[in-house]
Formats: sequence, structure tokens, C-alpha cells
Amino acid sequence: EAEVAQSPRYKITEKSQAVAFWCDPISGHATLYWYRQILGQGPELLVQFQDESVVDDSQLPKDRFSAERLKGVDSTLKIQPAELGDSAMYLCASSFLAGQGNNEQFFGPGTRLTVL
Amino acid sequence: KQEVTQIPAALSVPEGENLVLNCSFTDSAIYNLQWFRQDPGKGLTSLLLIQSSQREQTSGRLNASLDKSSGRSTLYIAASQPGDSATYLCAVAMIYNQGGKLIFGQGTELSVKP
Repeated sequence: EAEVAQSPRYKITEKSQAVAFWCDPISGHATLYWYRQILGQGPELLVQFQDESVVDDSQLPKDRFSAERLKGVDSTLKIQPAELGDSAMYLCASSFLAGQGNNEQFFGPGTRLTVL
Repeated sequence: KQEVTQIPAALSVPEGENLVLNCSFTDSAIYNLQWFRQDPGKGLTSLLLIQSSQREQTSGRLNASLDKSSGRSTLYIAASQPGDSATYLCAVAMIYNQGGKLIFGQGTELSVKP
């Protein structure tokens, strides 16, 4: 069964360091999403890609966060420098094509980030 | 701005009981609504998706309903089992985002006691 892959599963870093997360969506899915989930809350969108283009990054803290999907397949989310408040679960999701069909989103296992 | 609310925040039931989880949203211009399950420290597993034109979806012991006009959805779990213990999240995608990003509720943490 096709799945969304993410790595690493866990990351511990000190504040002011740089961290990067990787996501490989389900094959053939054009739309890729990065969400952040703070403990006890629902996920919130950070950035949405359609192929290699950013569709929505309105909630991405652009002074420290960056995201890319250079070839329209896998994606990297980077934080530099990390702050204590960045500790959260970072979830990647993909769907066939936003606005087409039912647009069901499928999520990866997430990366748990702890900033010390 | 769309707001999604889930009540109750936590629920504890004995094994075998039928139960209902509630989800409400403030803007009825939704593209679809998804219910997810999340185990502690894990990602989200999609349970059911209801398109805006549909009233309900069923999968095994799960049944989800949607009433757009009242801004409500319910997830019905029949004959609950300890393995159903998890956090259940509902989320909506909006028409103006072309069914893009999901807006989530805060979840209902379910505990099913043997």
C-alpha cells in the first residue's frame, strides 16, 4: 500500500541550530502539504505545494522557515535557527490534486522535533 | 474565518458501548470533511471522507454523517473496542481553497476500557 514517507522520525536539537525534515509523497500525488501540530492541538498548515510551486505559505514563519519541492516530487522543510517554540510534530501529507475529485489527504508518520 | 470545534475533548467508555463524537464548523462553504485517527506520537490515519454533496459515509463499525446547513458532523463508532482508543480529529477543506488545506478541530481523546 502506498504511503507518505518522512524522515527523521525524531529530532532533538539545541536552539539556534538548523534542522531539516524530508517528505516523499505517495507516487503520482501532485499536491503536498506540511502541517505543524503542537501537543494537544490539531495540525495547522505551514505550506502547500502544487507540483513544484508554492500555493499557500501564508502561515509559514518565513524569517526562519523555508520549504522546497524542486522537482515536484519529494520536499524538504528547514528551520534556521530553531527556537524553543518550534518543538512540535511536523506532518507531511499528500493528495492526488487539490480541487479534483474528493482530494483525500494522506499523512506520513511525522517528525517529532524537540528544541532544547 | 472557519473554526472547527470538537466536543467532548475527552471521552471514556466501557468496551462494547456505541458512541458518538461531535464536530462543528462555522462556515458551511466546505469542499469536504475528513475524520482521522491519531495514536500517541504517531501520524494521522484517514478514517472517512465525506464530500460536500454527501450526507454520510460508512466503513466497518464507523459511520460519519454531515449536515452542512447546521455546520455539524458526527462520527458513530459501534461496539467500541480497547483498540479504538486514540485521538479522533475532524477537518474541513474549503471551497475557496479549491479543497486544499485542511482546518482541524482540536480532537477528542477516546479511551475504551476493557
